Amino acid sequence: EAGVVQSPRYKIIEKKQPVAFWCNPISGHNTLYWYRQNLGQGPELLIRYENEEAVDDSQLPKDRFSAERLKGVDSTLKIQPAELGDSAVYLCASSSYLENTGELFFGEGSRLTVL
Amino acid sequence: EDQVTQSPEALRLQEGESSSLNCSYTVSGLRGLFWYRQDPGKGPEFLFTLYSAGEEKEKERLKATLTKKESFLHITAPKPEDSATYLCAGGGSQGNLIFGKGTKLSVKP
Repeated sequence: EAGVVQSPRYKIIEKKQPVAFWCNPISGHNTLYWYRQNLGQGPELLIRYENEEAVDDSQLPKDRFSAERLKGVDSTLKIQPAELGDSAVYLCASSSYLENTGELFFGEGSRLTVL
Repeated sequence: EDQVTQSPEALRLQEGESSSLNCSYTVSGLRGLFWYRQDPGKGPEFLFTLYSAGEEKEKERLKATLTKKESFLHITAPKPEDSATYLCAGGGSQGNLIFGKGTKLSVKP
């Protein structure tokens, strides 16, 4: 079974430029999460989707960050414009409500460097 | 405010030297205490979920335990391949995970 797929793995941009990250969750997983992980820190939730609905986006900086989940499957996280402090690893995770174990399956992450 | 604190931040062990990692938590409506392993450049990989005080789970050289305020990850006779960052997370009432900063474990041969 394929895991959570993220792209790109690495992205280097200059500040004020836009950037987008893509995530394909595990097939059948209805819940999708975007986390941000700064160096030496644990992941912090940005947004959580149940199917196509964003049910928790309280930690998403909405002035520059946006996200969407098309048809309740793939998701895109966008930053525009990027700032130096946005340099981090952006992790996508998915889980199955039906399995109800609470376990999250993570992708390998997209490492963003803002110069 | 929900909070998860891990200690120590880093731990260096010799191969075969057993030790424990600590995770203290204050998470309202806790829905499980999770342990993940994260290798450099990778996403976190699930290890265990504990749901109630007194519960224990084991996997190879790892054993996780849970009290009402803390969880411990015991590593028995570690090997170099156990080197990684170990993340603890509390399952919040809103369905997300609140992560600690992790403990970076290095096991030298």
